[in-house]
Order: sequence, then structure tokens, then C-alpha cells
Amino acid sequence: GENVEQHPSTLSVQEGDSAVIKCTYSDSASNYFPWYKQELGKRPQLIIDIRSNVGEKKDQRIAVTLNKTAKHFSLHITETQPEDSAVYFCAAGDNYGQNFVFGPGTRLSVLP
Amino acid sequence: EPEVTQTPSHQVTQMGQEVILRCVPISNHLYFYWYRQILGQKVEFLVSFYNNEISEKSEIFDDQFSVERPDGSNFTLKIRSTKLEDSAMYFCASSAQGQGNTEAFFGQGTRLTVV
Repeated sequence: GENVEQHPSTLSVQEGDSAVIKCTYSDSASNYFPWYKQELGKRPQLIIDIRSNVGEKKDQRIAVTLNKTAKHFSLHITETQPEDSAVYFCAAGDNYGQNFVFGPGTRLSVLP
Repeated sequence: EPEVTQTPSHQVTQMGQEVILRCVPISNHLYFYWYRQILGQKVEFLVSFYNNEISEKSEIFDDQFSVERPDGSNFTLKIRSTKLEDSAMYFCASSAQGQGNTEAFFGQGTRLTVV
């Protein structure tokens, strides 16, 4: 089955700096890669996703890159703000909305 | 904006008791999921459900667990005989069919505490 690893487990950055979170996956059949943000005590919320036919996707301050050959994908947050502080989970799954396997999460702290 | 709703938000139960967690997925979605998250840990997949049957389940989803879609709107997770280690946040999620839209929307979760 799919196995998703995520690094780092914790990340502290100064407000305004960039943050990068990296994930690797094992199943070459996975072709859908969402990123979720989870604030303390709240539900995971999708912030960006990428499909295997795309190498990079950007939405304002957030971007995701995918390298299918190497089986890794990364989340980039630029100009970080304190409200970006949360746990971020990457996930990998197939294109038919089935089982998503989540990474272990990265706790991002943006220091003012 | 449509959303997945879950009830109750918090359930406390005695070890060995049965619990039913309820979810109302987004109305035009066809895929339904249950996940759990033990405090401070990652979100873990339990089961996916499509076309009135389980399409995939993890090793966590043993014989103590069952899911049901008793009517056109509700999707339930039953734990037959709860154990202390079942204490976790349980999230329901749903997604639309097809390759063009596979975003999974999560409910707010039910915090299950087994004592």
C-alpha cells in the first residue's frame, strides 16, 4: 500500500520568510496529491492540490511542486504570516477519490 | 457553501459500549470516508464507501467497525465494543465522483472519548 513521509515534523520561520514542506510517496499509482491545513482543534481543510499531469501549481502565496519520477512533492508558502501557523498534512491518493494516505504532518510556527 | 456535518461533536462512552457516529455528507457527493486522528497524531484512513458498499478499508477497520448509509443523506460509523484506544477524533469526509473533482471535504469531527 501507499506510504507517505513528510519532513520536517516541525518548522519555525520568521514572519515574511518562506516555508517549504516536503513529502515522498511510495505507490507509483498515486496521482492526486492534496495538502491540508489543520488549525488546533479544527478539521483538516484543503489548501491546494496537484494532479500527476501537472508539475507545479500556484495559488497566491502557496505553491506545490510534483516530481513523479522521484515520487516527491513539496508545499511552498511565501511571505508567511502568523495565521499560517498550523499543522500541514500532505496526502497521496488515486484519481477516483478513494483512499488518501496522509503524511505525519508538519507543525509550522510563524514567529512575529 | 455546502459542508459536511457530523454529530455529536463530542461523545463520551464506557469501554465495551457501542457508539454510532453520524455524518451528513455534501448532497451531490458520491464517495464517503471515515478517518480518525488520535490526539497529536496524523489523520488515518479507515474506510471509503461508494455505491452503497465499502470500496476500501484499512487494517484499523476491523470487525468492530461498520459503516452504513441508512437513507439518502446520513452516513454512519458504528463501533461495536469500544476500547480505550478507540479514543480519537473521527472525521467524516465526502468527495464528488470523477477525475475532475476529487477534493475531499471534511466534517468538523466527533471527539470520541472512551473511559
